[in-house]
Formats: sequence, structure tokens, C-alpha cells
Amino acid sequence: GAGVSQSPSNKVTEKGKDVELRCDPISGHTALYWYRQSLGQGLEFLIYFQGNSAPDKSGLPSDRFSAERTGGSVSTLTIQRTQQEDSAVYLCASSLATGGYQPQHFGDGTRLSIL
Amino acid sequence: ELKVEQNPLFLSMQEGKNYTIYCNYSTTSDRLYWYRQDPGKSLESLFVLLSNGAVKQEGRLMASLDTKARLSTLHITAAVHDLSATYFCAVDMGDYKLSFGAGTTVTVRA
Repeated sequence: GAGVSQSPSNKVTEKGKDVELRCDPISGHTALYWYRQSLGQGLEFLIYFQGNSAPDKSGLPSDRFSAERTGGSVSTLTIQRTQQEDSAVYLCASSLATGGYQPQHFGDGTRLSIL
Repeated sequence: ELKVEQNPLFLSMQEGKNYTIYCNYSTTSDRLYWYRQDPGKSLESLFVLLSNGAVKQEGRLMASLDTKARLSTLHITAAVHDLSATYFCAVDMGDYKLSFGAGTTVTVRA
């Protein structure tokens, strides 16, 4: 399809396990963003990739979180040693260019549940 | 730190009537977005407002931006059932990161 694709759509795992979440942005979009949506915190920015530049990791909540983007396209968000407070919907978005002049297009998200 | 406040957080609308959702933000920005989210779904872009005085309209929805007042409004005209959703405003802080409001959950009743 033409939209942002995320997988898996749902993930249930035990506390302490590592998880990988995948995002396929819209073709041609150079900017890619990860957000987290949870009941207590609303929508929070996590990390941003623009082309081949170093990512902005300023929103990552702890060093258990990391992300990479291969070939300027697909991105993987990895959470190590998951905790129950990591339970949330993780949303990926992409846009044609940096920030302000283009809307970010969001995927359907990965609903992560930590038991 | 940029704070984005939406109100009301919950809005029960009667079909056919008009309503307004407000989005206030705490620091200077001239780029603001409105998104819609249906239950279990992702965010759909509604409007991009890029300058002071910007007004955008689509169907029964109209959004405006007053950068001096740091206020955006989303006006709903003659509400209909299919407008039931959660509406978010998001402010671009000038460095590509969006700061979102808490969302307004709208329910339209007959």
C-alpha cells in the first residue's frame, strides 16, 4: 500500500524480554519519526531520522530504547529488557521533508503489552 | 518546554449543532497541525496551519491559527455521527518534533 506500514500490529511479551518493532515509511519520504502513545503520557516524541544524518534521540526515555534506519528507508525500534511501563502503542510517521511544511503521515502502530 | 493544552478533553455533541475545540500552546510557533484518530486506528492528518491568521476548511471542519494568542481552534459545523473520533492538535517547535495536546474525544449523539 501507499501508507506507512508497521509490524507487528500487536505484540505481547514477558517483562525482561527484548522486542523489535518495524516501520516501513512511505516511499520517497526522507524523514521518519517514532512516537509512543500511552494512557498516562499521551503522544510522546521518541526519535527522528532525516536522510543520512545522525538521528535525534532526545525523546528516548532510557538507554534500553534504540532505533536504527537502514538504507534511509526501513526503521527498527528496539526495546531491551522490557518493563511494564513500556506498554503502549508505538507509532511511526514519515514525511517528505523536515518538520514544518509537510504533515507527518502515521502508521497504524504496534500495540505493545508487557506482562 | 512547550506545553500544548486542548479543551475540552471530552465533548458530547448533538447532531446538527456547532462546537469548537481549543488548542493553546505555551511558546512561539507558527506551525500547527490537527489530526483525527478513530478508535484503534492511527492518526489522520486534517489540517496544516502555517502562518498567523491561517484558516483551513474541509467539509464541516474549519481550523484557524492565531500565533499571537498562541491559539488554534477547530470548529465543527452541524455535527454528524461520523465526526465521532479523538482530535489532536500538534505544535511544531521549529525543529521537526511535534508536541501533541492530550486530545479531545468527540461523541456525536442523535
